[in-house]
Amino acid sequence: NAGVTQTPKFRVLKTGQSMTLLCAQDMNHEYMYWYRQDPGMGLRLIHYSVGEGTTAKGEVPDGYNVSRLKKQNFLLGLESAAPSQTSVYFCASTARGNSPLHFGNGTRLTVT
Amino acid sequence: GESVGLHLPTLSVQEGDNSIINCAYSNSASDYFIWYKQESGKGPQFIIDIRSNMDKRQGQRVTVLLNKTVKHLSLQIAATQPGDSAVYFCAEFQAAAGNKLTFGGGTRVLVKP
Repeated sequence: NAGVTQTPKFRVLKTGQSMTLLCAQDMNHEYMYWYRQDPGMGLRLIHYSVGEGTTAKGEVPDGYNVSRLKKQNFLLGLESAAPSQTSVYFCASTARGNSPLHFGNGTRLTVT
Repeated sequence: GESVGLHLPTLSVQEGDNSIINCAYSNSASDYFIWYKQESGKGPQFIIDIRSNMDKRQGQRVTVLLNKTVKHLSLQIAATQPGDSAVYFCAEFQAAAGNKLTFGGGTRVLVKP
């Protein structure tokens, strides 16, 4: 099993550009999460999903949108990138809420 | 490359000694807690978890202690090894708050040979 796979691994955007980060899991997990990690800030929850077709806001949802059209995929979109969105983005999944998350290896995004 | 903060609290420990990493959590309604280890350039990896109806749980070389009275969680690593050098995060889960998992700020552990 591949586990949780994030694409791309690296990306540089100019301010105002848009992009979509893809997260795919092959473990048939119901729950999926998007976090961002900044220096000195730990991991902050952006959006999450408790099942196919559902999404919910986390701590820092502004400037991001998500979709969970298929159970195995959770997409994170930036409609108009800003330098403040420069960060490392991690996707995670789990079978149920109160069980350990499985993380991908991250996407490093730089917005200039 | 470096994927975690430059200003994290740091614990320096001699190889072979025991390490204790502390975490204060925020919500008394949290019902599940997890410790993660993150090495440079990688995503967090699960170490050990504990539910709120327990106060201690042991794994291989690791022990988690939960003190609900003061909302404190600790991770003890026995006989620390160079491979234990990483950033460690605690996380709290609240089913009543929409099944959110929230992370603490992290502690960097440096193992000296």
